[in-house]
Amino acid sequence: QKEVEQDPGPLSVPEGAIVSLNCTYSNSAFQYFMWYRQYSRKGPELLMYTYSSGNKEDGRFTAQVDKSSKYISLFIRDSQPSDSATYLCAIINMEYGNKLVFGAGTILRVKS
Amino acid sequence: DVKVTQSSRYLVKRTGEKVFLECVQDMDHENMFWYRQDPGLGLRLIYFSYDVKMKEKGDIPEGYSVSREKKERFSLILESASTNQTSMYLCASGYGGNTEAFFGQGTRLTVV
Repeated sequence: QKEVEQDPGPLSVPEGAIVSLNCTYSNSAFQYFMWYRQYSRKGPELLMYTYSSGNKEDGRFTAQVDKSSKYISLFIRDSQPSDSATYLCAIINMEYGNKLVFGAGTILRVKS
Repeated sequence: DVKVTQSSRYLVKRTGEKVFLECVQDMDHENMFWYRQDPGLGLRLIYFSYDVKMKEKGDIPEGYSVSREKKERFSLILESASTNQTSMYLCASGYGGNTEAFFGQGTRLTVV
């Protein structure tokens, strides 16, 4: 079983839609969760970082963690064509030297 | 701004060649990582290092080795390149502990 599972998509939505991106993880010891955004031909960049259950908001982006279900989500409100990218969830495995483990990434396309 | 620099954006090598991929960071980060990224598989960890001369195997270390002689530099070595090592290689660095990783632009390696 993979440590982090993520649907690769692609996900195509119209401009202005609410986007929901999701990951599940296998180890209940994981405590630190991140979302990275990767534009084409670029390296990933950190978008959101959270370590507790609940919601964290930053502008149009909301990261949600449900530790009881081992489920993490990223919501994008009022999506824009500039949000078109690959979104990768990531966790820090502290049991293994702070190894950073990524999901497969979801390709998002926002159509204008 | 944090800068993680990978020595090449594109490389073409022949099967059996020894290949060196270099990565340099300018933020005095303890941790450095090498990933490969393939469609549908996401980022897979090859090796990581949390200190000079220290290294830990990731999920797919076979066919690779690493070297970290100085804190700012982390090299990935393909001992004998094979066509199944054709991929995008991403280097990342971060402070120790539960912190984010910063990525370079990636090296697209083609083995023919």
